[in-house]
Amino acid sequence: AQSVTQPDIHITVSEGASLELRCNYSYGATPYLFWYVQSPGQGLQLLLKYFSGDTLVQGIKGFEAEFKRSQSSFNLRKPSVHWSDAAEYFCAVAPPGYSTLTFGKGTMLLVSP
Amino acid sequence: NAGVTQTPKFRILKIGQSMTLQCAQDMNHNYMYWYRQDPGMGLKLIYYSVGAGITDKGEVPNGYNVSRSTTEDFPLRLELAAPSQTSVYFCASLGGSADTQYFGPGTRLTVL
Repeated sequence: AQSVTQPDIHITVSEGASLELRCNYSYGATPYLFWYVQSPGQGLQLLLKYFSGDTLVQGIKGFEAEFKRSQSSFNLRKPSVHWSDAAEYFCAVAPPGYSTLTFGKGTMLLVSP
Repeated sequence: NAGVTQTPKFRILKIGQSMTLQCAQDMNHNYMYWYRQDPGMGLKLIYYSVGAGITDKGEVPNGYNVSRSTTEDFPLRLELAAPSQTSVYFCASLGGSADTQYFGPGTRLTVL
């Protein structure tokens, strides 16, 4: 069975600074990979996804993620964080041709002025 | 399209009561899902369905039941509410294996 680890429970970043959120997965082959964002009291919104091909994936709101097979990682990055990016971020994994997702426990991003 | 809708938004139950959380989608998606979200624990899959008349257990199915009589609706039933079922419940749908899960806004349930 697949699993996802998000090592950081909380991260605080200054507004305008760069951001990297870590995600490591466990799966025997290359899975489908996703990043979702959840603002307080809201549902989950998809930021980006990786199925195959180019390992650098562009998403919405200026986010990108890079799939590194050798490290079993799919880290999320943003070059300059805005106060509105403060939210909880979830990495998720699914086997190819999936029907179910497995989520990490989430990383809460705090943005300081 | 309304996407995935959930009702109610909030509910307080007493221990032992029952209720049904409603979920509907208007995207003609075959796959639908119920998750629960607890603080610091991410989302856990309760039940899912790959089409009308077909349901299967997820990671945490105990205390819940589902049915899928139509493509659009996927209600989640709590028969004997317990404090451990206090959580935020999310419904999601998926159009196909190359697609993305779309989430509803959630139902916040408190069992006292």
